[in-house]
Amino acid sequence: EVQLVESGGGLVQPGGSLRLSCEASGFTVSSYYMNWVRQAPGRGLEWVSIIYSGGTTYYADSVKGRFTISRDNSKNTLYLQMNSLRAADTAVYYCARGKFDCWGQGTLVTVSS
Amino acid sequence: QAVVTQEPSLTVSPGGTVTLTCGSSTGVVTSGHYPYWFQQNPGQAPRTLIYDTTNKHSWTPARFSGSLLGGKAALTLSGAQPEDEAEYYCLLFYSGEGVFGGGTKVTVL
Repeated sequence: EVQLVESGGGLVQPGGSLRLSCEASGFTVSSYYMNWVRQAPGRGLEWVSIIYSGGTTYYADSVKGRFTISRDNSKNTLYLQMNSLRAADTAVYYCARGKFDCWGQGTLVTVSS
Repeated sequence: QAVVTQEPSLTVSPGGTVTLTCGSSTGVVTSGHYPYWFQQNPGQAPRTLIYDTTNKHSWTPARFSGSLLGGKAALTLSGAQPEDEAEYYCLLFYSGEGVFGGGTKVTVL
């Protein structure tokens, strides 16, 4: 069964860092491009980042220079390293495979003092 | 970064037809923007309905279809059901970077 499970969310102070993980099962992460999408409380969806199978990455302007997407092929896991966090980064973060044919359940990140 | 626009809300009668659109601040939406359409119910993860303008996943009900219409991407719901009441989002890609629209709340009434 194809599945994505996010983890690593939690409460962090402004300016802090957090690393989200997205563990895949039923397929090989390195064979697909993978996305991160977030949704602030009561707000719409926001695309965050993508990593292509060749390793090319792209980011939304709102996170460029602060967030880094990566993957560990040996662990079949996608990551999102988030630095210099702001209150505006508070959201549920989802990972999604390729043509968005599989989504994780999401992990909540709260940035607050 | 581009701005993607959607109707804030639309109402459709049960069994009726409604078309949602997805426009771009940069101009005409083309297949090169790889338009996606997602459905989201409160408290749930999004569900992908359409990818690459017109393609459906195996779980996409046949009553949903995607197209390009009048310079925009479009999602048409034909034969609306009560369970189709939800928020719908489109997503466009601009040279690798994605931008979601603000979402359309569809009410079946």
